[in-house]
Amino acid sequence: QVQLQQWGAGLLKPAETLSLTCATYVGSLSGYYWSWIRQPPGKGLEWIGEITHSGITNYNPSLESRVTMSVDTSKKQFSLKVTSVTAADRAVYYCARGTVTMIHGSGPYNWFDLWGQGTLVTVSS
Amino acid sequence: EIVLTQSPGTLSLSPGERATLSCRASQSVSSTSLAWYQQKPGQAPRLLIFGTSSRATGIPDRFSGSGSGTDFTLTISRLEPEDFAVYFCQQYGSSPRYTFGQGTKVDIK
Repeated sequence: QVQLQQWGAGLLKPAETLSLTCATYVGSLSGYYWSWIRQPPGKGLEWIGEITHSGITNYNPSLESRVTMSVDTSKKQFSLKVTSVTAADRAVYYCARGTVTMIHGSGPYNWFDLWGQGTLVTVSS
Repeated sequence: EIVLTQSPGTLSLSPGERATLSCRASQSVSSTSLAWYQQKPGQAPRLLIFGTSSRATGIPDRFSGSGSGTDFTLTISRLEPEDFAVYFCQQYGSSPRYTFGQGTKVDIK
């Protein structure tokens, strides 16, 4: 049962704009932080940024100048754009549902409990 | 930025053995902010542990987490064949809001 499904172009040329969209099939966007996370092949995970249902964003400073996220609550979708891509942007990109919450007065606790299937983005001329 | 360093890079063990994975933070991390994920080849990460020691829904009790301050541990009490995978720790902080360790691969000896 698909809960987050993502799509977008997998092959880009240098200087083009990466564009990915993630659709949610798990209820409301409200109450969660919808993130994009990337993973270069064979390497670790890098958080790109997040957006709420009301459009509030928070980006990783390392990518902030090139990243824009948006949300369409009517379609229950959120999107990522990364401008001016280079070979260094080659990675599997994941969308993910993030929770930040207090539990019994302690916290905040946080976790990513739902993930998209991943999209490999390659940058090549 | 809080940097998470995981060790060892690779852990070679046999089914039934105990696995102990370390995650060390460059500065103190709140115990409520530390999570662990499992990733198998070609798959997205799966949440195992949040808040240092709370198991996510459906996670077997052979997985446990502990630690505080800058030192955190994921323990798999008895490795099952499906546990051979890469494990990442992750923390929630200020800027950037989330960082991940580089991962520990648990492979079959």
